[in-house]
Amino acid sequence: EVQLVESGGGLVQPGGSLRLSCAASGFNFSADWMSWVRQAPGKGLEWVAKINPDGREQYYVDSMKGRFSISRDNAKNSLYLRMNTLRAEDTAMYYCARDVWYRLEYWGQGTLVTVSS
Amino acid sequence: DVVMTQTPLSSPVTLGQPASISCRSSQSLVHSDGNTYLSWLQQRPGQPPRLLIYQISNRFSGVPDRFSGSGTGTDFTLKISRVEAEDVGVYYCMEGTQWAFGQGTRLEIK
Repeated sequence: EVQLVESGGGLVQPGGSLRLSCAASGFNFSADWMSWVRQAPGKGLEWVAKINPDGREQYYVDSMKGRFSISRDNAKNSLYLRMNTLRAEDTAMYYCARDVWYRLEYWGQGTLVTVSS
Repeated sequence: DVVMTQTPLSSPVTLGQPASISCRSSQSLVHSDGNTYLSWLQQRPGQPPRLLIYQISNRFSGVPDRFSGSGTGTDFTLKISRVEAEDVGVYYCMEGTQWAFGQGTRLEIK
């Protein structure tokens, strides 16, 4: 059974940093692209970043380039999202998802990030 | 950048009746490899999104056959043949090569 479990969310002050993690199991993690998608409270879905299987290619939504960094550790079956210089508008549920042939096949339950003073 | 527009934004439906959601893109979604990477996602209240349909019309594993997808180019449709109570939620179309989501359609029971 495919499982994706996010962690690392919480309350952070504007300008602060946070590192999200996603633990994967039930599939060959090192063979798949992975993505982070976020959802602000009561709003729709927004792609954040994606990474290729060996971690050498990373792609970001323009508005998050330079502030967010996606990475992975295939030995630990884990995906990460480092978020710097956080703003109030980054407040959202952050989901990791298995990205297979441009479809998001499985999603975790999400981890909530709240940026507030 | 491609813009995905869903209609309606809200759809009250009677149990057992059909429902239909439209997704229109601002440009053709036919990829250079000939495929169209248009998916539909369902998000039940309090739950993460779940993949229903990929590449326009392919049902994902475990998805009931009352869900179907169709369309071509810039116009796509998700149909539910007979709505059940568990279908309540928000439905999103998504284009996977251009990172684009529709704004979502809320399906509710009358």
